[in-house]
Amino acid sequence: SQQGEEDPQALSIQEGENATMNCSYKTSINNLQWYRQNSGRGLVHLILIRSNEREKHSGRLRVTLDTSKKSSSLLITASRAADTASYFCAALRGAANAGGTSYGKLTFGQGTILTVHP
Amino acid sequence: DTEVTQTPKHLVMGMTNKKSLKCEQHMGHRAMYWYKQKAKKPPELMFVYSYEKLSINESVPSRFSPECPNSSLLNLHLHALQPEDSALYLCASSRGAGEGNYGYTFGSGTRLTVV
Repeated sequence: SQQGEEDPQALSIQEGENATMNCSYKTSINNLQWYRQNSGRGLVHLILIRSNEREKHSGRLRVTLDTSKKSSSLLITASRAADTASYFCAALRGAANAGGTSYGKLTFGQGTILTVHP
Repeated sequence: DTEVTQTPKHLVMGMTNKKSLKCEQHMGHRAMYWYKQKAKKPPELMFVYSYEKLSINESVPSRFSPECPNSSLLNLHLHALQPEDSALYLCASSRGAGEGNYGYTFGSGTRLTVV
């Protein structure tokens, strides 16, 4: 089962506008990550926010994390046509296997399809 | 080198065939992963390898068999697949093997079609 839900499922905006995507998750996490995927190919890591952080910036990206509400948001400012892609949040939580080895388990949300019109 | 390389990019196989997907990274990452992604769905975790040992198998059918020959290579052996196994198979790696704060580096994937 997927860790997170995202909304909106699809977002269509004009170049220059801001795009906001939201993500919710169900269990405690170590960090929350955002990825971008073009045309069903590989995912590109955009930004990571730790569970003890509330806000983080990277270029035109701003991510927030509210652990009390188990939610995160990604804001892309001054969007460009090249930002058109699917965006996924992914929650990392620690786990241990039967042998006691710890590992991180990254589980993805359902994704938001962003279309930026020139 | 900051890439994860997957081969082949496309694969069509019959239900009786045996094939392998390959994944390679030279970033010194100690954890590697296989994900499966169906169309318009998020990636789903299949296997986690940390320090070349299988850490988790997410209840994946035995017709999928992972192998990690060394710290740079990860294979996924396929045998007697079903048409519903058709999907994009993504390999990823991360610097840490545990629950640390690392992003994952993904390959471009292998688009598998089972006929």
